[in-house]
Parts: sequence; C-alpha cells; structure tokens
Amino acid sequence: DQQVKQNSPSLSVQEGRISILNCDYTNSMFDYFLWYKKYPAEGPTFLISISSIKDKNEDGRFTVFLNKSAKHLSLHIVPSQPGDSAVYFCAASGSGGSNYKLTFGKGTLLTVNP
Amino acid sequence: ETGVTQTPRHLVMGMTNKKSLKCEQHLGHNAMYWYKQSAKKPLELMFVYSLEERVENNSVPSRFSPECPNSSHLFLHLHTLQPEDSALYLCASSQEVATGELFFGEGSRLTVL
Repeated sequence: DQQVKQNSPSLSVQEGRISILNCDYTNSMFDYFLWYKKYPAEGPTFLISISSIKDKNEDGRFTVFLNKSAKHLSLHIVPSQPGDSAVYFCAASGSGGSNYKLTFGKGTLLTVNP
Repeated sequence: ETGVTQTPRHLVMGMTNKKSLKCEQHLGHNAMYWYKQSAKKPLELMFVYSLEERVENNSVPSRFSPECPNSSHLFLHLHTLQPEDSALYLCASSQEVATGELFFGEGSRLTVL
C-alpha cells in the first residue's frame, strides 16, 4: 500500500502561470517532507523540504505548503518557467530509528509550455 | 553535476552473468544508499550504509550484494538476476544517515535478458 501518493501523473501549465503539484500521505508518523526534481537521464535533485512544525516553506519561486490534518502537501511554483519541466517526486520520512528511510511518491511530470 | 558518479550508465546482462554497479561520491558525505526505480513505481530503498557499515537491508533478495569499502565508494554486485530486476538503480549520499536531503547519481539503467 502506497504511503505517499501523487495522484496526478502529469500536469501541463503555461509559462508564467502557477504550477501546483499535490501529494498525500497516510502515515501519521511522517514528520519531514521533501520535494525532488528529476530531469530525463539525470538523478533526482533535492528541491525544497518542510518539517511538520511548519506549514509553509518558501525558497524563491518554490513554496511548499503542509496541511497536517489533511495529510496533504503541495508544491507551488510561481512563475512557472519552461526549465521547470521535469518529474517532481514527493518524499516523506518519519521520526524514530528509521528516520533516514524516505518514502517516495510515483512522481508527477510537469510540462511548462512557452 | 551532483558530486555522485555512477558507472556504468547502462548495463545489459544475462541471467547467469555476474556484474557490478559502482558509485563514488566526492562530497565528503558519511551515508550512502542504493535505490531502485522500476517503471511506474516509486523509488524503493534497497540498502543504506553509514560510515561503511550497513544499517539497512530493505528485504532485498540475496542476488543483490552491496559492498562499501570506504565512505566514498559503494558497489552493488549482481548475480543470477531475473528479468524483473531490470530497472534504474540510483546511488545517493547524504551528510549523515538521518537527513533526507540526498544527493543522487544519474543512475545505472540495468536490463536483464
């Protein structure tokens, strides 16, 4: 059973508009969440993270929002640029002895059209 | 360039072959990982090493054998694989084992015939 779900396999957005990528999780022990970006033929690269003690973290054009009660997080990209076109993975980890174990979603392919 | 280098980038092998995947990190990190990415599946953690000691073996079949001779190098030895083992194998490193901010290599695309 998937503990981290990205229900939209793909998303297409116009350049300059906002991209919103969503992620849901089921494990209430998760307390640290990350987004990774992956271009074709490259490994994933870390983008932004958020701890469960926060509900928002911002880094330039990228903002991650966390709604713990809904077990939902989202990544907002504003404004979207063609170079943002990539697969975005949501990941989560929990506290305790296995806090290094990241659980990944399947990813969402974002296409930003010029 | 993430500082994590994997070789080979592509590998085709028969079920009776023995081959190895290599990973090297130039970041001075203490933790290294092997992940598997199969088609239409999430990234799956296979092994975790912290300061050359294995701290996690995530129920991986014994036909996959990891080796970490030092904190900069990680190998995945492959033998008698099955076609369903065909996947992208990603190596990653992090400063310490408890951080989720992983630095990934570009991956080794494995095809088992």
